[in-house]
Amino acid sequence: HSALTQPPSVSGSPGQSVTISCTVTSSDIDTYNRVSWYQQPPGTAPKLMIYEVTNRPSGVPDRFSGSRSDNTASLTISGLQAEDEADYYCSSYTSSATLFGGGTKLTVL
Amino acid sequence: QLQLLESGPRLVKPSETLSLICTVSNGSISDISFFGGWIRQPPGKGLEWIATIHPHGNTYHNPSLRSRISLSIDTSRDQFSLKLDSVTAADTAVYYCAKLGRAIDSWGQGSLVTVAS
Repeated sequence: HSALTQPPSVSGSPGQSVTISCTVTSSDIDTYNRVSWYQQPPGTAPKLMIYEVTNRPSGVPDRFSGSRSDNTASLTISGLQAEDEADYYCSSYTSSATLFGGGTKLTVL
Repeated sequence: QLQLLESGPRLVKPSETLSLICTVSNGSISDISFFGGWIRQPPGKGLEWIATIHPHGNTYHNPSLRSRISLSIDTSRDQFSLKLDSVTAADTAVYYCAKLGRAIDSWGQGSLVTVAS
């Protein structure tokens, strides 16, 4: 059984950095290296921000970065801006399923 | 950039079948790397993967929904479809189709489907 676990909420002030964690539980070791991150402002479809733990698609600001330590992947947003307020989801996949974390609500104070 | 668009009834009665079609443009689903997926999001809740289909016929289902799901794909029309049987109010959600793979880099706009009598 594979699962991704995120904190329900994080917050930060403009200009600060925040980190959202995603704890991966899986018997498929590749699941740990396949973590991607999505930003979802209210009422919109999710947007890919990071793929394969650390890779940033073109057009995504370099304020967004990804990392991994053991079984925990992390999304760090530096120089926080009001427009970053959104729900963030981590995701990964096994040979037979796509997985999502429960989502983290980022509040910009 | 690949574009995806969901279409289908927005209101479904309890115990009936929810049917959605995803139409893909600016690309072809016949590409060997294409995996078409369905993802849903109940109001105020998180994302839930429903199922994935590949043009060569492989399908993958969320175990919690497996018995109620039917998938199909029409490469001549660049469309793939979802049917969910015996719906209840718990199936009310925004349904997204998306291109799965190394990451989900293309999403439809989402279609809110309400289950109510």
